Amino acid sequence: DAGVIQSPRHEVTEMGQEVTLRCKPISGHNSLFWYRQTMMRGLELLIYFNNNVPIDDSGMPEDRFSAKMPNASFSTLKIQPSEPRDSAVYFCASSFIIGGGRETQYFGPGTRLLVL
Amino acid sequence: DQQVKQNSPSLSVQEGRISILNCDYTNSMFDYFLWYKKYPAEGPTFLISISSIKDKNEDGRFTVFLNKSAKHLSLHIVPSQPGDSAVYFCAASSNAGGTSYGKLTFGQGTILTVHP
Repeated sequence: DAGVIQSPRHEVTEMGQEVTLRCKPISGHNSLFWYRQTMMRGLELLIYFNNNVPIDDSGMPEDRFSAKMPNASFSTLKIQPSEPRDSAVYFCASSFIIGGGRETQYFGPGTRLLVL
Repeated sequence: DQQVKQNSPSLSVQEGRISILNCDYTNSMFDYFLWYKKYPAEGPTFLISISSIKDKNEDGRFTVFLNKSAKHLSLHIVPSQPGDSAVYFCAASSNAGGTSYGKLTFGQGTILTVHP
């Protein structure tokens, strides 16, 4: 049974370039989360989708960041233009939420992004 | 503003001894607490949780204690094993304010090293 799949696993790019991170959630899950991990701030929620609809994007840092979920099996996180301070590990997680907020979130392996 | 704090960046323990990882929170609306474990190059995986109506939850070698008055929780691992060496994240959520999806707020993580 495949878990959450993320690609690429590593990305090195130059400042100003567009970066697109991809995520395939666990089949049957109705919720998807994008997180960013940095040494200073730990794991931060960027955006939450439920049934492909963005519900909470309050964690998205600024307009350079955008996320989409065109269908239940695919989501992207785009940074344009990228900046060195965007360097971090980006995780995607999925869950099957039926209400109550106690459902386990399952994380992908992450994408390590380095912006030079 | 870090609502969930793990003040110890690292902890080193001898195999067979007890590991105690600590976490403090500031938001009194948090009513559900979790610990996630993360190995290098992998995503975080759920370890154990506790609801605010309890003060202790045990699962095998892992026990989580919650002190609501002190806004403090801890994870005890007994006995510690070298395979427990990982980064441990504390997380908290609240169902207040309509966030029924259980938005998780994470701490910065504590690196646990268990020496043989």
